Amino acid sequence: EAGVAQSPRYKIIEKRQSVAFWCNPISGHATLYWYQQILGQGPKLLIQFQNNGVVDDSQLPKDRFSAERLKGVDSTLKIQPAKLEDSAVYLCASSPWPYEQYFGPGTRLTVT
Amino acid sequence: GENVEQHPSTLSVQEGDSAVIKCTYSDSASNYFPWYKQELGKRPQLIIDIRSNVGEKKDQRIAVTLNKTAKHFSLHITETQPEDSAVYFCAPYNYGQNFVFGPGTRLSVLP
Repeated sequence: EAGVAQSPRYKIIEKRQSVAFWCNPISGHATLYWYQQILGQGPKLLIQFQNNGVVDDSQLPKDRFSAERLKGVDSTLKIQPAKLEDSAVYLCASSPWPYEQYFGPGTRLTVT
Repeated sequence: GENVEQHPSTLSVQEGDSAVIKCTYSDSASNYFPWYKQELGKRPQLIIDIRSNVGEKKDQRIAVTLNKTAKHFSLHITETQPEDSAVYFCAPYNYGQNFVFGPGTRLSVLP
């Protein structure tokens, strides 16, 4: 079974620029999550999708972050404009049910 | 929202010894209790989980115990090996709420 795929793996941008991350979940997994993990901390949930509907986005900074999951499969997370404090690893996870989560390799974002 | 704490924040053990990490949570309605392992530069991986109707679950050298009354659950690793060195996260969950990960415990297994 193929795992969760994410791209790019690394990204360096300047503050105020925009960036987008892509995630392809495990086939058949209805639930998809985006997390932000700052160095030395636990993952923080940004948004949760069930199929192509948003279940929870209470911790998503909506003035600069947006996410979508078209056709209930792939998802993109966008930051515009980026700030220095957005430097982190962005993790995508999927699950067949909102319990066991399988994480992708993550995208390491550096904002300079 | 859920408040999650882990103790200790760092733990060093000799190879072959046992390690125990405790996770305390605030939401009494939580009903799913997983532990994740994250090696340096890698993704978090689910290593063991337990549901609220079970008090203990074991998988080879790792086990999880749950005390719902006291609102804590623990990860037990026996016969530790150098490859167990990692950061361990708990993430107690109440269906309908969002996942909240603990701050992590860094385990170092010394050869």
